[in-house]
Amino acid sequence: GQQVMQIPQYQHVQEGEDFTTYCNSSTTLSNIQWYKQRPGGHPVFLIQLVKSGEVKKQKRLTFQFGEAKKNSSLHITATQTTDVGTYFCAGGAGKSTFGDGTTLTVKP
Amino acid sequence: ETGVTQTPRHLVMGMTNKKSLKCEQHLGHNAMYWYKQSAKKPLELMFVYSLEERVENNSVPSRFSPECPNSSHLFLHLHTLQPEDSALYLCASSHLAGTVDSPLHFGNGTRLTVT
Repeated sequence: GQQVMQIPQYQHVQEGEDFTTYCNSSTTLSNIQWYKQRPGGHPVFLIQLVKSGEVKKQKRLTFQFGEAKKNSSLHITATQTTDVGTYFCAGGAGKSTFGDGTTLTVKP
Repeated sequence: ETGVTQTPRHLVMGMTNKKSLKCEQHLGHNAMYWYKQSAKKPLELMFVYSLEERVENNSVPSRFSPECPNSSHLFLHLHTLQPEDSALYLCASSHLAGTVDSPLHFGNGTRLTVT
């Protein structure tokens, strides 16, 4: 079955440093979604990418969808303490399969 | 706030108890989901309902029994659970959009502890 792998599992950064999490699928995805879950909270939808090679930005966050539609990345520029949480990617056609998430901690 | 409301927020139950988790969405969506979140498997899809019909059951033990009486409500009936079933149970809803998945809107979850 379809698998979505996410790396790294954990990332610790100093405030102001950049952060990137990567998502890789064993099959071609029709779309990819990214979610953020704050500690003690629930996953919240951030963005969806549909087109091959698509790049979208939300303030300090940059999302990319690979040309082959089998991988994606989320890059945060100049992290802040408000960025802490677990970032999940989810991809699929008709059903979303979630990666295991990357947990980001930011040291002030 | 989220548009998806789950009750109770916390539940402690013994292995012989029967309890139910409730989820209600106010977003006009026509698909609803149950996910299990634990340290072992961060987001594990359990059941999917589309237009009130169950369309997916991911090899979930029969001690978990879902019910979707209408497009706004979803229940998860629990009986004779095991300690390893302790986890955060998340309900979500979405529109159906063909082959392109619609974003999921999650509730706050029910933190379940089985003693």
